[in-house]
Amino acid sequence: DGGITQSPKYLFRKEGQNVTLSCEQNLNHDAMYWYRQDPGQGLRLIYYSQIVNDFQKGDIAEGYSVSREKKESFPLTVTSAQKNPTAFYLCASLGTRLSGNTIYFGEGSWLTVV
Amino acid sequence: SQQGEEDPQALSIQEGENATMNCSYKTSINNLQWYRQNSGRGLVHLILIRSNEREKHSGRLRVTLDTSKKSSSLLITASRAADTASYFCATVATGTASKLTFGTGTRLQVTL
Repeated sequence: DGGITQSPKYLFRKEGQNVTLSCEQNLNHDAMYWYRQDPGQGLRLIYYSQIVNDFQKGDIAEGYSVSREKKESFPLTVTSAQKNPTAFYLCASLGTRLSGNTIYFGEGSWLTVV
Repeated sequence: SQQGEEDPQALSIQEGENATMNCSYKTSINNLQWYRQNSGRGLVHLILIRSNEREKHSGRLRVTLDTSKKSSSLLITASRAADTASYFCATVATGTASKLTFGTGTRLQVTL
């Protein structure tokens, strides 16, 4: 089945550690996104990538890094510089222009700092 | 910064009633979309309305868009307990290509 796969579903990080969240899509979408969601809140854009080997900062990029070496993969690294990383992280990819910029989401990854 | 703000933040209704949620945004947009999120899950696309459209229907969903007021509403008719979820509006601002930003969401609770 086509879709977006995020892993791991749950991740615990010690303070001072970097962690990487995986996002893979087999939808042949060009654009991919990472959002952060805090409990009871909306989604805030961390980074997005419109094409391979290119990405742009979103509204809350500080303390995060990404890469886009392959079309189907857009991993997010939460660095030790992110002081409050405990949150729900959502990866998404953008459908074709014909579908009018519809985003498809993964099931999310829960990151907890211990 | 959030592009959209939903109102109300939370809404509780009984099954069979209609639910109306509103979204206001700040800049000119290419289109506006509504998404649904069940607790702890990813978001699911519900409906898209383009900036040159004023109203759109999909099943029990009705969306309106007023670009002069920079606002949209989502109406769910004959609500069901399974409609319980959070609902978000999202916009692609004019000139930002693929940058999709979300509002703060409305938490809808439908009781039997």
